[in-house]
Formats: sequence, structure tokens, C-alpha cells
Amino acid sequence: QSALTQPASVSGSPGQSITISCTGTSSDVGAYNLVSWYQHHPGKAPKFILYEVDKRPSGISDRFSGSKSGNTASLTISGLQAEDEADYYCCSYAGIITLVFGGGTKLTVL
Amino acid sequence: QVQLVESGGGVVQPGRSLRLSCAASGFTFTSFALHWVRQAPGKGLEWVAVMSYYGNNEYYADSVKGRFTISRDISKSTVYLQMNSLRAEDTAVYYCAKDFWATLTTGSMDVWGQGTTVTVSS
Repeated sequence: QSALTQPASVSGSPGQSITISCTGTSSDVGAYNLVSWYQHHPGKAPKFILYEVDKRPSGISDRFSGSKSGNTASLTISGLQAEDEADYYCCSYAGIITLVFGGGTKLTVL
Repeated sequence: QVQLVESGGGVVQPGRSLRLSCAASGFTFTSFALHWVRQAPGKGLEWVAVMSYYGNNEYYADSVKGRFTISRDISKSTVYLQMNSLRAEDTAVYYCAKDFWATLTTGSMDVWGQGTTVTVSS
């Protein structure tokens, strides 16, 4: 159950797009289309923003999108806004009802 | 309104026990798996355990297997995390989270509580 690999930080200017990668293995990200993404503002509850790689829950802006290729999933945020500044985590199903999170990525909106 | 409210956190000495509670409301408690996820200070999120929707199966992260037990009380719509043999590295904010799909455990967690803080220190 090793953590998925995410960049520690990314940054972008308002209006720009950024992509956060999430690299796992053939036993987790590569094996299942069950990658979810969460936005976490410190001190608050994490917020569910994508599931099953690229599906958005009701109420989530279409500025958030997801994809997967092999053992790497990605979250893209387009039209960056100040309120997007937060920590972002990927999470993958890893078989036999176990889950593994990424180490988290701090997004800074310049 | 779907809601999860955690309680039971506190300061505890290494080797001692603590039980966390997560009170659920606003959805059919017996139709959804419920997870515990934690975040140690300065660290990322870590999945801890899940109770299946039907309540007959529990699954744990290797880091807590054999020390933590997840259970539930249907009459109270509450899930618990019994934490034994606590270690300093168990210090974290513990969140309760609901699985997105009814009758499945996919790991997509759509509703989260605000968390309860556990500090293991002598």
C-alpha cells in the first residue's frame, strides 16, 4: 500500500490551466478506473471533485476534468480562480477493498 | 441534508485506547459503505478502514491492521473506530467519509465529516 506519487506543488496564474499527475502501479491506478480526486482547504473537510477517473459529481464545475493513461491519472483545472488554491489528492482503489491516496499537491494561484 | 459528525478525539498516551464515533444522517445508513481517513500533521490523507454497506465486512490499511477495529450501530446510524495500542504515528485528524455508490465500495467518497483530532503523546 505505497502512496501514489503526486508533485508536491504546482502553480498557475488566474485564467490559466494546470495539470496534476498521480502515478501509481499496475495494481492500483493501472488496474482500475476507480480514481477519485479531492480538494482540501486546510481546516475544512475534503471536497469530492472527480470520481471514476473523469466523472464530475453534481455541482462540480466543468473547469475540473480528469484522465488516465496507464498507471498515471491526471487532474486538470482550467480557468484557474483564486478559490482553487488548495491541496489536491488523488485516491485509487487498490484491490480487495483497499484504497491508496496520493501524497497531495499544493496548488498556488499566483 | 447528508451529514457526518465525528467525535471522540483527544489526547491519549502511547499504548492506550480510544474510540471514535461518526454519526450519520440524511441518507440510508445501511445502503452505503463508510470509511475512516486520517491526516497526520503536515502529511497527506491516508485511508484507514471501511465498513461495507451490509456491515459484514471490514477492511483495513496495513498500518492499522490488528490494532484498529471498525464497527457500526444501525440503531444509532453511527460507525465507530476502536483504536488500540496507539502509537505516536497515529496522531492525526480522523475523518469519516461516505462512499458515493449505494451497495458498492468503490472508494469514491462524496461526503466527509469535519474530522476529530487524536493526539498520542506521553
